[in-house]
Amino acid sequence: GAVVSQHPSRVICKSGTSVKIECRSLDFQATTMFWYRQFPKQSLMLMATSNEGSKATYEQGVEKDKFLINHASLTLSTLTVTSAHPEDSSFYICSAPGLGNTIYFGEGSWLTVV
Amino acid sequence: KQEVTQIPAALSVPEGENLVLNCSFTDSAIYNLQWFRQDPGKGLTSLLLIQSSQREQTSGRLNASLDKSSGRSTLYIAASQPGDSATYLCASGGGADGLTFGKGTHLIIQP
Repeated sequence: GAVVSQHPSRVICKSGTSVKIECRSLDFQATTMFWYRQFPKQSLMLMATSNEGSKATYEQGVEKDKFLINHASLTLSTLTVTSAHPEDSSFYICSAPGLGNTIYFGEGSWLTVV
Repeated sequence: KQEVTQIPAALSVPEGENLVLNCSFTDSAIYNLQWFRQDPGKGLTSLLLIQSSQREQTSGRLNASLDKSSGRSTLYIAASQPGDSATYLCASGGGADGLTFGKGTHLIIQP
């Protein structure tokens, strides 16, 4: 079964609204989680590193005020796309490192902004 | 900054053939090298993970190799099946850092 759960799997929102995506680690604690974005026919790009109890670290070119990340507990990180626009439509996926070198990915979230 | 390149971008072969997918990376000081499978409209499925101290990993019909000195990894798929059709991604990194992905190889196995 899934060890990292991501919700929602698909969401459609109106332009200008905000949408929140949740990433939960199941049965293990994740002090760090990673958020990626994938545009059609492109590779996954790391957006930010979510750190429990501290501010997220954003990759170059990713607007921290637009993509709000909250890692409120050891099992939950959220990504909020604020004032979403059609160009934010993408596939968003999170991951969390497990024991050893294992990396667990969520199921991903398809965001469509209309 | 690490860059990961995958060749070919797309590949179509008849069922039953053995095939090799290639991945190259610019920074040989990698933590891990990992291969994933992504089906259309789906998330990622981890296939094989090669730690920096290892040279290869095998799982069923899949074999992945790692040559840090040349900055290359290959994924070998034996006796391909139509169900193997998917996009295959390689990624470098891990641990406290995120992963750097290649753009993937879109594989089609013809029945």
